[in-house]
Amino acid sequence: EVQLVESGGGLVQPGGSLRLSCAASGFTFSSYEMNWVRQAPGKGLEWVSYISGSGSIIYYADSVKGRFTISRDNPKNSLYLQMNSLRAEDTAVYYCARGDDGSGWPTPDYWGQGTLVTVSS
Amino acid sequence: AIQMTQSPSSLSASVGDRVTITCRASQGIRDDLGWYQQSPGKAPKLLIYATSNLHSGVPSRFSGSGYGTDFTLTISSLQPEDFATYYCLQDHNYPRTFGQGTKLEIK
Repeated sequence: EVQLVESGGGLVQPGGSLRLSCAASGFTFSSYEMNWVRQAPGKGLEWVSYISGSGSIIYYADSVKGRFTISRDNPKNSLYLQMNSLRAEDTAVYYCARGDDGSGWPTPDYWGQGTLVTVSS
Repeated sequence: AIQMTQSPSSLSASVGDRVTITCRASQGIRDDLGWYQQSPGKAPKLLIYATSNLHSGVPSRFSGSGYGTDFTLTISSLQPEDFATYYCLQDHNYPRTFGQGTKLEIK
């Protein structure tokens, strides 16, 4: 069974940092692209970042570029999102979501339950 | 970035009704579109990928169609568990972009 479990969320002051983790199980993690997607309270979904299976290709949304860093540790079956210079508008539930395994179907299929990040003084 | 415009933003319907939600891309995206269902407090669930392919375990009352810029999600006969919010997602290029969502409510 595919499982994605996020952790690391919490309350942080504006300008602060937080590191999110996503523990994957039930599939060959290194074969899959991964994504972070967020949802502000009462709002829609916003794609945040992508990383290829090897970690060699990375993309970011303009809203987080230069402040967030996505990474992965394949031997540990883990995905990360380092968030620096946090702003109030970064307040959201952050989901990790599994992407393509090279079969040509990139639509994220399995999602974690999410972890809430609140940026407030 | 490609803009995805969903309509309607909300919809009231009854159990057994047939409903259609549309998504329009600001430029052609071939068939690189997915649909998600999200219930309150839950993570999104993938319904359809590549415009018309049903994800594993998704009931056949859900279907998708379209190509290029105009896409539709159809639920043929609404069930109580279908009342939720639906999002389209273009996976044609980066940055990925979602539609703003359609909230499906019970009439």
